[in-house]
Amino acid sequence: GDKVKQSPSALSLQEGTNSALRCNFSIAATTVQWFLQNPRGSLMNLFYLVPGTKENGRLKSAFDSKESYSTLHIRDAQLEDSGTYFCAAEADTGYQNFYFGKGTSLTVIP
Amino acid sequence: GALVYQYPRRTICKSGTSMRMECQAVGFQATSVAWYRQSPQKTFELIALSTVNSAIKYEQNFTQEKFPISHPNLSFSSMTVLNAYLEDRGLYLCGAWDRDSGNTLYFGEGSRLIVV
Repeated sequence: GDKVKQSPSALSLQEGTNSALRCNFSIAATTVQWFLQNPRGSLMNLFYLVPGTKENGRLKSAFDSKESYSTLHIRDAQLEDSGTYFCAAEADTGYQNFYFGKGTSLTVIP
Repeated sequence: GALVYQYPRRTICKSGTSMRMECQAVGFQATSVAWYRQSPQKTFELIALSTVNSAIKYEQNFTQEKFPISHPNLSFSSMTVLNAYLEDRGLYLCGAWDRDSGNTLYFGEGSRLIVV
């Protein structure tokens, strides 16, 4: 099965509203990263997390390694937030390996 | 800041020919480079993981014979898709990080392979 389950798969948000994306892990994730992929395919690193939380502007992310999940909260969504969000978990397998979720496609509507 | 330049951005190649893509890390040491393929359905597949001064580890369903990778130094890696066919289509992404100063993964902008 999927090692990283990401939800929801798609989301439409009214501009100015808030929402949360989630990743559940079936592996022993040691770190989590969140990325935003733009329509051209480029991936932008949003957060790199060890267990705990980080905040950057309107984005806030949390990683709970004991409960095996991570969340990405978007506050006051803007049009430029549209794109596909991916989480990637690193598992301590001897080789560093990042397992990706299947992404959440976010559309912010004016 | 840390950046990864990946090129070419897009290649159209005839079935059975090959495509080479390159990644250049700027602003950090790419001790490890992972090559991924993203399917049209957005799923990421790890092709191989390369660490400088170590053997390249290929994932199941990917081989060195089909996807030879070079990682000669701390700033450069390349991968070739040999004898490309329709099933090799997709966006190929290189992700690089410095194991000695944190594992933040920086991606190139991707090389899209179109096979005709």
